[in-house]
Amino acid sequence: AQSVTQLGSHVSVSEGALVLLRCNYSSSVPPYLFWYVQYPNQGLQLLLKYTSAATLVKGINGFEAEFKKSETSFHLTKPSAHMSDAAEYFCAVSDRRGKLIFGQGTELSVKP
Amino acid sequence: DTGVSQNPRHKITKRGQNVTFRCDPISEHNRLYWYRQTLGQGPEFLTYFQNEAQLEKSRLLSDRFSAERPKGSFSTLEIQRTEQGDSAMYLCASSLVASDDTQYFGPGTRLTVL
Repeated sequence: AQSVTQLGSHVSVSEGALVLLRCNYSSSVPPYLFWYVQYPNQGLQLLLKYTSAATLVKGINGFEAEFKKSETSFHLTKPSAHMSDAAEYFCAVSDRRGKLIFGQGTELSVKP
Repeated sequence: DTGVSQNPRHKITKRGQNVTFRCDPISEHNRLYWYRQTLGQGPEFLTYFQNEAQLEKSRLLSDRFSAERPKGSFSTLEIQRTEQGDSAMYLCASSLVASDDTQYFGPGTRLTVL
């Protein structure tokens, strides 16, 4: 069975500071991993995905994530936060049969 | 590519009424998924279709819920005899199974049951 744990339901950073959102997964098969972003009252937008190619994955808006099998982690980072990054971020794992299993989400706040 | 669309965007109904939501996937996508998201939580899988076939249903999908995808294009999700606990955002996503199965989400339908 697959599961995802996002450490920290709320993260606050200053504008220009490093963003680090943590995600650990459990999977009985080699995982496909995803990060999605959700702005208020909107659907989910794909930021990036890992599908067993390069372990360092670059996404949109300057975000990237590194797949670490030994740590079962897929943390999301961005070197310099912008006010527009304030949103809810979800890590998800695919069971490869169709469905996504999501974490609880991390709300990112960016202070001026 | 116009993306996944969902209608209506918002629905307010009284307890006991039936509601129906529609999802139009990205045109060439053969898989269509429904998820439910309650406040402060991540989306939870409800069901998915590959073409017309409904391949999996979650235990969350009680007998009051039914989903269809009659021609392998758009899908509808119906909730009968709504309850206050059904209040949530209902999200639809689509994917192309021949690729890496990345799911693209629509804007969601927010249901409020009074």
